[in-house]
Amino acid sequence: QKEVEQDPGPLSVPEGAIVSLNCTYSNSAFQYFMWYRQYSRKGPELLMYTYSSGNKEDGRFTAQVDKSSKYISLFIRDSQPSDSATYLCAIAQAAGNKLTFGGGTRVLVKP
Amino acid sequence: KAGVTQTPRYLIKTRGQQVTLSCSPISGHRSVSWYQQTPGQGLQFLFEYFSETQRNKGNFPGRFSGRQFSNSRSEMNVSTLELGDSALYLCASSLVQLPNTEAFFGQGTRLTVV
Repeated sequence: QKEVEQDPGPLSVPEGAIVSLNCTYSNSAFQYFMWYRQYSRKGPELLMYTYSSGNKEDGRFTAQVDKSSKYISLFIRDSQPSDSATYLCAIAQAAGNKLTFGGGTRVLVKP
Repeated sequence: KAGVTQTPRYLIKTRGQQVTLSCSPISGHRSVSWYQQTPGQGLQFLFEYFSETQRNKGNFPGRFSGRQFSNSRSEMNVSTLELGDSALYLCASSLVQLPNTEAFFGQGTRLTVV
């Protein structure tokens, strides 16, 4: 079993819809949570960074962390075709020096 | 503010050769991490350097090595290249050691081994 599980998709939504993405993890030592967006043939771009349970909002993006369930989510409101990309969750332990990534979810926002 | 710069962007090498990739972190950042991305395995951690010292290493063979210079620039080297080393190699820069800060990635170096 992988340490971080993420549905590969693709997830296809119409423009303006809410995109809902999630990851589950197995190690309760994970305490730092990040979401990245990666366009084809580009490096990952950091969207959200959080280290506590609860919600964090930044513009159209909301990240949720539920440590009791080992479950994290990213919501994208008012999705745009430019949001079409692969979204990666990344998780880290407090005492570690590395990020453990989910496999990524490919999202397609159709005009 | 300049981002993370990786050079070269693309490389084609032959099996058995060696290759050196370079990463210049964001100005003021002292931690550099390297990751390998492949369609089958996704993003996998190679190693992290902070203040010229390797702080953590992933599960890769000894053919993969790296170093960090006093100006925080980092290089990784792969010796005796194999076909399976074909991948996108990504460098991440952070202000201090992970995970106490955000990590920002470069565009990557796409290595093809033929």
